[in-house]
Amino acid sequence: GAVVSQHPSRVICKSGTSVKIECRSLDFQATTMFWYRQFPKQSLMLMATSNEGSKATYEQGVEKDKFLINHASLTLSTLTVTSAHPEDSSFYICSARSLAGGSSYNEQFFGPGTRLTVL
Amino acid sequence: SQKIEQNSEALNIQEGKTATLTCNYTNYSPAYLQWYRQDPGRGPVFLLLIRENEKEKRKERLKVTFDTTLKQSLFHITASQPADSATYLCALDINQGGKLIFGQGTELSVKP
Repeated sequence: GAVVSQHPSRVICKSGTSVKIECRSLDFQATTMFWYRQFPKQSLMLMATSNEGSKATYEQGVEKDKFLINHASLTLSTLTVTSAHPEDSSFYICSARSLAGGSSYNEQFFGPGTRLTVL
Repeated sequence: SQKIEQNSEALNIQEGKTATLTCNYTNYSPAYLQWYRQDPGRGPVFLLLIRENEKEKRKERLKVTFDTTLKQSLFHITASQPADSATYLCALDINQGGKLIFGQGTELSVKP
């Protein structure tokens, strides 16, 4: 299957700093990428939908000025957590939806996740 | 309100038995329902997708059913193995645009 990578896999930062997380589709082009957040023992919560070349669509309750999303190419989307605080500590996961349909219509491929810890 | 519920947080079964996981939803009319596997500290891995006009889907030892009247999907793993131990998530595609709403997951533990 298609591969999605995330970098870094783990990051620890001080409160007030900004952290950038990259999501790449390695062997396919993705018109749409999604960003999720997952707290311990909870399910994935969709934060935003990112389409290449356009502004991201954020879910209700997600601050767009705090979670900056850039989807500059068909293989790369970035999430920047600005002025991070301890409550932003979480597991951030991206997914990418293939440009091609075929039998994989609507299938998303998930990255391995990034563990963010804000001290 | 809209919600998705998966049965019990944890399911423990003996190796070789069939594991059955439940996903119930209210106030959604999804065109697609998907099941994922998630291991600790990893992203979800896609297992199966079933469309609203399909009753059942199979893939090797996995079987998914979808009852849009009951608003329920059942996920079965036959001849379960300890390697099947993981958290299983159901997800609804609510706008056919890939926007997925996930259940809270069921943690399956298969004992040898």
